[in-house]
Amino acid sequence: KAGVTQTPRYLIKTRGQQVTLSCSPISGHRSVSWYQQTPGQGLQFLFEYFSETQRNKGNFPGRFSGRQFSNSRSEMNVSTLELGDSALYLCASSQPGQGSPLHFGNGTRLTVT
Amino acid sequence: AQSVTQLGSHVSVSEGALVLLRCNYSSSVPPYLFWYVQYPNQGLQLLLKYTTGATLVKGINGFEAEFKKSETSFHLTKPSAHMSDAAEYFCAVSESDSGYSTLTFGKGTMLLVSP
Repeated sequence: KAGVTQTPRYLIKTRGQQVTLSCSPISGHRSVSWYQQTPGQGLQFLFEYFSETQRNKGNFPGRFSGRQFSNSRSEMNVSTLELGDSALYLCASSQPGQGSPLHFGNGTRLTVT
Repeated sequence: AQSVTQLGSHVSVSEGALVLLRCNYSSSVPPYLFWYVQYPNQGLQLLLKYTTGATLVKGINGFEAEFKKSETSFHLTKPSAHMSDAAEYFCAVSESDSGYSTLTFGKGTMLLVSP
C-alpha cells in the first residue's frame, strides 16, 4: 500500500507570496492532519480534516488554511508568507477510530526568503 | 490540556549499549501514547503505541516502552543500540475522549550512537 505522498518536497518562496501544499493520504484513510515542524517550536498541530470537514484546528493565524476533497486528498494554503513560516510541513493520515496512529509523509520543506 | 516532556534533547550511547529515552506526559483523561522516529529529511515513522491493555508495548526495530500511570511516564528502551538507531525520537500523546486524532508532541530527543 502506498504511503502518504506530499508534493512538492521543496519550495522556495518570497515574503508576501502565497503557497499551496498537497497531500495524498494512504488509501482508505479519511482523516488528514497537518503539522508544522521548526527547530525552535518543534512539531505543532495545524488542523485536521475528516470527510471534507475541518474538525480541529491549532493555534495558527488565519493565513493558514486547508481543505479536504471528496477523495480524502488535502491541501493547505499559506497566504502572505512571512520569514517565520519557513518550516517542514508534515501531512499525516489515519483511519477512523480512537487511538489510530498517524502515518506521516516525508513533508514539504518551505523556505521563505 | 495535554503536554509531553522529553528529558534530554540529546542522548549519546555506544553501539551495543542500552538505549533509554524518557517521556513524561500530562493528560486529564486516559491517554493514548506514541513514539515516533525521524531520520534526516524524512517524515515521522511510528515505532509503537499504547492505547489500552498491556502496559509493556513492543514496537519495531527492537524498541519497547512501558506505560506507568502512577509515574505518568512512557519511556522508550532498546537493549542494544545499533548505529542505524541514530535519529530523532518523538513522544506524543492524544486524549482518548477527544474524538480527534490530534497529537501533542514532545520536543524530541536526538539519539547519537558511537562505534
